[in-house]
Amino acid sequence: GAVVSQHPSRVICKSGTSVKIECRSLDFQATTMFWYRQFPKQSLMLMATSNEGSKATYEQGVEKDKFLINHASLTLSTLTVTSAHPEDSSFYICSARYRGGEKLFFGSGTQLSVL
Amino acid sequence: GENVEQHPSTLSVQEGDSAVIKCTYSDSASNYFPWYKQELGKGPQLIIDIRSNVGEKKDQRIAVTLNKTAKHFSLHITETQPEDSAVYFCAASIGMRFGAGTRLTVKP
Repeated sequence: GAVVSQHPSRVICKSGTSVKIECRSLDFQATTMFWYRQFPKQSLMLMATSNEGSKATYEQGVEKDKFLINHASLTLSTLTVTSAHPEDSSFYICSARYRGGEKLFFGSGTQLSVL
Repeated sequence: GENVEQHPSTLSVQEGDSAVIKCTYSDSASNYFPWYKQELGKGPQLIIDIRSNVGEKKDQRIAVTLNKTAKHFSLHITETQPEDSAVYFCAASIGMRFGAGTRLTVKP
């Protein structure tokens, strides 16, 4: 149980385009989802926390207009990287938690490459 | 906010030896401390966790100890195997921020 599916696993896009990454909880209701960014050989940097039905809370230094997060249902959250630039190239990972739970269940990550 | 420090950044052991990774946290309100294992190109997987009302927890070759007074917790892996090679991350519950990670290499 507690499976989180993240798609796509890898995406290559041109500079200036927007990319959407989906994170789905397959067998539980994810009341809270987290989005992380990870550079090679570095830790996971928390970008934002989203609760179902409300606006995401962004970490300091993360541009909310650049990284649009939507958590419209209890099983789906999306991260849209708008007007992507090469410096946005990174590994993006989502995680989900059910109501009252402490454990985080992670997606498999998305490797974004912006040309 | 919570600050989690993790040491060492890299750890190399011989197969069969033990490995210990330590983390310290800053927020005394943190009450849940998970450890994750991340293999290359994949998302982290929870391997063991501990709550603040417990001092130690063990699951086969893996154990976690918590010292609330000193605000540090450690991951212990005994009888290491090559498949234990990965990056390990600790986290503290407030904000779910992660330590910097430890790259463990188990040499056959």
